[in-house]
Amino acid sequence: RKEVEQDPGPFNVPEGATVAFNCTYSNSASQSFFWYRQDCRKEPKLLMSVYSSGNEDGRFTAQLNRASQYISLLIRDSKLSDSATYLCVVGPNYGGSQGNLIFGKGTKLSVKP
Amino acid sequence: NAGVTQTPKFQVLKTGQSMTLQCAQDMNHNSMYWYRQDPGMGLRLIYYSASEGTTDKGEVPNGYNVSRLNKREFSLRLESAAPSQTSVYFCASSRGTGGGGYTFGSGTRLTVV
Repeated sequence: RKEVEQDPGPFNVPEGATVAFNCTYSNSASQSFFWYRQDCRKEPKLLMSVYSSGNEDGRFTAQLNRASQYISLLIRDSKLSDSATYLCVVGPNYGGSQGNLIFGKGTKLSVKP
Repeated sequence: NAGVTQTPKFQVLKTGQSMTLQCAQDMNHNSMYWYRQDPGMGLRLIYYSASEGTTDKGEVPNGYNVSRLNKREFSLRLESAAPSQTSVYFCASSRGTGGGGYTFGSGTRLTVV
């Protein structure tokens, strides 16, 4: 089982749609979770952290299910500007090796007019 | 603030040539990283430096060396470039341990012919 798995997509959705991305991770000791966004030919940028209680930032909602080792990202009212690749990222147990932030391969989203 | 600055942005090398990719951050971050990103492979960690004066191997260190020159700068060296090292290279930095958000540079597109 790969450490962080995502559906590669692409997800092609119309403007205004709601779209959900899922991610599973294999290391049950993981303690930090993030979603990054990467535009074509650009660097990844932090979109949001994911907390155990779930968190929301505008149209974006992230949830974590530790028991199932599952992370989700929900985008409501999709905009053309949301078109990008979304990377699920899982971090190390606190106190563990600093360099082990694991990136999923990403899910590509294309929002159409 | 410039954030994380990488140079050069593009480079073409012949097999066997050497080069150094430069990375500097102005955020007073303790930790710095080098990743490579290939189609279908996602981001893979080459080397990282948890703090000034330390460096450690990541997932794919073969064929690379690094130097943490000071707190701001972390360079990646290819001693004898190979076509398999054709990739996009990203430098990143973070404040410290615990897997906090990484800030990435804009990347170096390297082609080895």
